[in-house]
Amino acid sequence: DAGVTQSPTHLIKTRGQHVTLRCSPISGHKSVSWYQQVLGQGPQFIFQYYEKEERGRGNFPDRFSARQFPNYSSELNVNALLLGDSALYLCASSLALAGSQETQYFGPGTRLLVL
Amino acid sequence: GNSVTQMEGPVTLSEEAFLTINCTYTATGYPSLFWYVQYPGEGLQLLLKATKADDKGSNKGFEATYRKETTSFHLEKGSVQVSDSAVYFCALYPNTGNQFYFGTGTSLTVIP
Repeated sequence: DAGVTQSPTHLIKTRGQHVTLRCSPISGHKSVSWYQQVLGQGPQFIFQYYEKEERGRGNFPDRFSARQFPNYSSELNVNALLLGDSALYLCASSLALAGSQETQYFGPGTRLLVL
Repeated sequence: GNSVTQMEGPVTLSEEAFLTINCTYTATGYPSLFWYVQYPGEGLQLLLKATKADDKGSNKGFEATYRKETTSFHLEKGSVQVSDSAVYFCALYPNTGNQFYFGTGTSLTVIP
């Protein structure tokens, strides 16, 4: 079975631009979470979606938004890119809401560089 | 607030050496605790977890015990292999929250 897939793998943008990152969860998984991992740091939680509804939001500005589609795939959108948005963006999927009892499975990430 | 503190890396060990990676946490209530591993070029994978005090999580020879009195969840392995070379992340999930909190990661390199 395919794991979590993310596209694109790498992306270069300039300040002020907009970016859309995509994630396909493991088949049958209904929850998707997004994380930002800055070089040398651990993943920071951005959003969690379950059954197409936002179920959690981390401490990120409104420039960050996301949505989940009927097939449970997800998009992360970032507007007005800043240099500090350069990071590895990770998607994780789980059968239900990720938490203490529900294992989340991570994709390989999209590496975004903002110049 | 909720946070995880891991020992600074990188850590370099010879094959068959004993490994300890320290992790302490701050949390409200009684969180669940996790260790994730990220092998080169791959996504994070759950290594082990413990959901209540004194629980021991174990997997692939790695162990960690949830110590509430010291707010710690140190990762140990008795004899590391070259294939254990990876970045290890400690994480918590609060019992009253809706998100994971990760530490900064500890890079481990095992040399033959």
